[in-house]
Amino acid sequence: QVQLVQSGAEVRKPGASVNVSCKASGYIFTSYSIHWVRQAPGQGLEWMGLMKPSGSRTSYSEKFKGRVTMTADTSTSTVHMELSGLRSDDTAVYFCARGFVTTPIDFWGQGTLVSVSS
Amino acid sequence: QPVLTQSSSASASLGSSVKLTCSLDSGHSSHIIGWHQQLAGKAPRYLMKVESSGNYNKGSGIPDRFSGSSSGADRYLTISNLQSEDEADYYCETWDGNIRLFGGGTKVTVL
Repeated sequence: QVQLVQSGAEVRKPGASVNVSCKASGYIFTSYSIHWVRQAPGQGLEWMGLMKPSGSRTSYSEKFKGRVTMTADTSTSTVHMELSGLRSDDTAVYFCARGFVTTPIDFWGQGTLVSVSS
Repeated sequence: QPVLTQSSSASASLGSSVKLTCSLDSGHSSHIIGWHQQLAGKAPRYLMKVESSGNYNKGSGIPDRFSGSSSGADRYLTISNLQSEDEADYYCETWDGNIRLFGGGTKVTVL
């Protein structure tokens, strides 16, 4: 069965970076894009960007360009999302999710809480 | 970029039906959308895809009580025979090229 298993919760100070991983299994890793979506406490879903493991192509939301980097390791079927220059308003649960380019997201990871506090 | 508009909340009685609306802006009225359910404290769960024609395709394991439809720029999610476990936030999603967007979400309360 399809699984997206994310790394555990992280605590960072303002200005630091965080790396969240998402390990895929149960499907052909290079056939789907991996999206990153975050959710601040009590807020809605916010799309950050996507990684196409086949070819390692990325597309980032304008809001996060310059601060986010997504990479894929096809040998371990894992996508990494690094967010730099952390601020307190980056405190959120970060989800990875799977989808084709022209279809809705059809599977979600369990989420990773990133807390940013001095 | 498309804009998706959802009502912030909806409520209905146990066993009744509720119809949620996701409205696309006029420039993107033919877009396909996806519906996702998020139970409190949980990750979202994909429910279905809804096309402008009204055709919908549900994800694996989604109960028959959930259905989709469409009218113009509006996409709907109908939950019939509402159950207590349907109390959740519901989000619609669409895309424009590689960019993804979400509606603000509708909180469904089961009375």
